[in-house]
Order: sequence, then C-alpha cells, then structure tokens
Amino acid sequence: EAGVTQSPTHLIKTRGQQATLRCSPISGHTSVYWYQQALGLGLQFLLWYDEGEERNRGNFPPRFSGRQFPNYSSELNVNALELEDSALYLCASPSRTSFSNEQYFGPGTRLTVT
Amino acid sequence: QKEVEQNSGPLSVPEGAIASLNCTYSDRVSQSFFWYRQYSGKSPELIMSIYSNGDKEDGRFTAQLNKASQYVSLLIRDSQPSDSATYLCAVYKAAGNKLTFGGGTRVLVKP
Repeated sequence: EAGVTQSPTHLIKTRGQQATLRCSPISGHTSVYWYQQALGLGLQFLLWYDEGEERNRGNFPPRFSGRQFPNYSSELNVNALELEDSALYLCASPSRTSFSNEQYFGPGTRLTVT
Repeated sequence: QKEVEQNSGPLSVPEGAIASLNCTYSDRVSQSFFWYRQYSGKSPELIMSIYSNGDKEDGRFTAQLNKASQYVSLLIRDSQPSDSATYLCAVYKAAGNKLTFGGGTRVLVKP
C-alpha cells in the first residue's frame, strides 16, 4: 500500500503571508494527524481530522487551521506567518490495525518563514 | 514537568556495543508506547511499539515497559554506525487520540 504523501517538500514564505500544506493518508484510512517539529521545541501535535471533521487540536493559535476532503486528503493552512512558524510539518496516518494506535509519518514539508 | 521526558544526549556508543535509551512519562492513563528513529532532515520512522509490561524484541531492538514506574526503554544491540540518529519516545492516550513525544535522544555510534 502507498504510504503517506505530503507536498510540497519545501516552502519558503515571508512573514505575514499564508502557507498551505497538503497530505494524503495511507490508502483506505480516514484519519490524518498534523504535527509541527520546530527547532528546540520537539514534535508537537497540531490537528487531528477524521471522516472530514476536526476531532482534536493541540495548543496552537487559530491561525493554524485545516480541512479534510471527501477523499480523506488534508490541507493545513497557516495564516499570518510568523518567523517562529519555521519548522518541519509532518502528517501521519494510523496503521491498518485499529487497536495498535500506531502512526506512520509522511516525508514532511519544510516551511521557512523569512 | 513535561509529559514525556528523554535525555537529549548525545549518547555515544562504540560500534558493536549496546545503546540504552530511557524515557519517562507522567500520565498513568497512557496506553501505548512507541519508539521512532529520525535521521537528520528526515521524518520519524516507527521502529518499536509496546503495549504491556515486560520486554518486546524485534531484531536488534528491545523495548521494555514498566507501567508502575512509568518508564519505557529501548535497547539497541550490536550498534552500527547506521543507528546514529535521534530516537523519539512517544506515548499514546485515548483522550484526544494523539501521540505526545519526548524531546528525543541523539545517538552517535562510533566505528
């Protein structure tokens, strides 16, 4: 089965602009998780989408938002970019075994805000 | 207190030796525990999952879980230079259905 895919690989924006990141989960899976990995802050949970709905969000301001499409792919939008939004943004998909709670990551999108 | 804590390292081990990584977590309701390996500039790769107390072995990796002590560890036997990476401990809780990660331990295996 195909793994988690993300695009673009790299994204360079200036402060105040908006960034849009995309993710497709493992085929057949309805859940998508977004994480941010910023230098010095570790990997932090951002958002969880399932069946087209936002199910949970981490401790991030409202300018971090997203959506999930009928085909279960997802989009993360970051508005009014700030320098500290520079990070690796990772999308994850659960495994086929529903009880395992394992999550598999895509290759990530490196966002640089200048 | 952070929810998941790891020693940041670097943990330097000679090739062929055993690398021992530790992780503690604060919430007793945590259900599942994972170890991810992350090479520089790459995304995390799941290498071990453990759900019940005791040891779980997979190739050169052994995960150990002690829920009473809220402690999970990873042993890497016969360490190779290719094991040089950052190892992330992650804890799952059903509430919120999310993973919480430790800061990671950087491992350097020297030939």
